[in-house]
Amino acid sequence: QAVVTQEPSLTVSPGGTVTLTCGSSTGAVTSSHYPYWFQQKPGQAPRTLIYDTSNKQSWTPARFSGSLLGGKAALTLSGAQPEDEAEYYCLLSYSDARVFGGGTKLTVL
Amino acid sequence: EVQLVESGGGLVKPGGSLRLSCAVSGFTLSNAWMTWVRQAPGKGLEWVGRIRSKTDGGTTDYAAPVKGRFTISRDDSKNTLYLQMNSLKTEDTAIYYCCRAGGFDYWGQGTLVTVSS
Repeated sequence: QAVVTQEPSLTVSPGGTVTLTCGSSTGAVTSSHYPYWFQQKPGQAPRTLIYDTSNKQSWTPARFSGSLLGGKAALTLSGAQPEDEAEYYCLLSYSDARVFGGGTKLTVL
Repeated sequence: EVQLVESGGGLVKPGGSLRLSCAVSGFTLSNAWMTWVRQAPGKGLEWVGRIRSKTDGGTTDYAAPVKGRFTISRDDSKNTLYLQMNSLKTEDTAIYYCCRAGGFDYWGQGTLVTVSS
C-alpha cells in the first residue's frame, strides 16, 4: 500500500500565506491521483475543502486553493484566519484504493 | 437536508464481530458510491473501503489492513449502508464514519468501536 506524506505541523501568522503539501511514496503526484484536501477541527467530522486537485466545494472559503507543485499536491491558504487552525488531511487515489496522508496540524499564531 | 447517521458501534472483544449501519437521507443512495473512513483515538484518518453503486457493478475495494475481515454492503431499498467487521483486533478501535464517495461531500457524525478484552 502506498504511503502518503504531509508535514506534521505548520504555523502561519494571521493574514499570512502557507502551503501544505502531499507526497506519494510511488512517485510524483499527478491529477490522476485526484487529490482531495480535508479540514478537521476537534470533535468534528472532516469536511472536504478541495477535490480533484483544485476544485472547491460550495462551502470552501476563497482563501483556500489547491494545485500540483513540484511533484506533490498542494493546499495554499492565503490570508489565514484564526478559524483556519485545524488538522488538514490529503487523500490520494490509487488503482483500487484511496490513502490518506498523516495530516498537518496548522496553527494560526 | 442530507443526513448520514451511523449506528452499531460499541465495545467488543478481540476476535469478535460487529456490524455498523449508516442510514442515509436527503439523496438517492442507489446512485451513490459510498465509503467508510475510520479514525483511531488521537490519530489521523484512514480510508477503510468503498462500494460502488449497483449500476456501476456494486463492487467493493478495501484497505490492506481490513481486507478479508471487513465487508461493505448496501441495501438501497432501506437507504442503508453497512460495514460488517469480523476478526476484530485492538487496532481496529476507532470512530467509523460513512461518507458519500463522490466528492466526499457528506459525512456522518461517526460511531465509536472499541476492541478490548
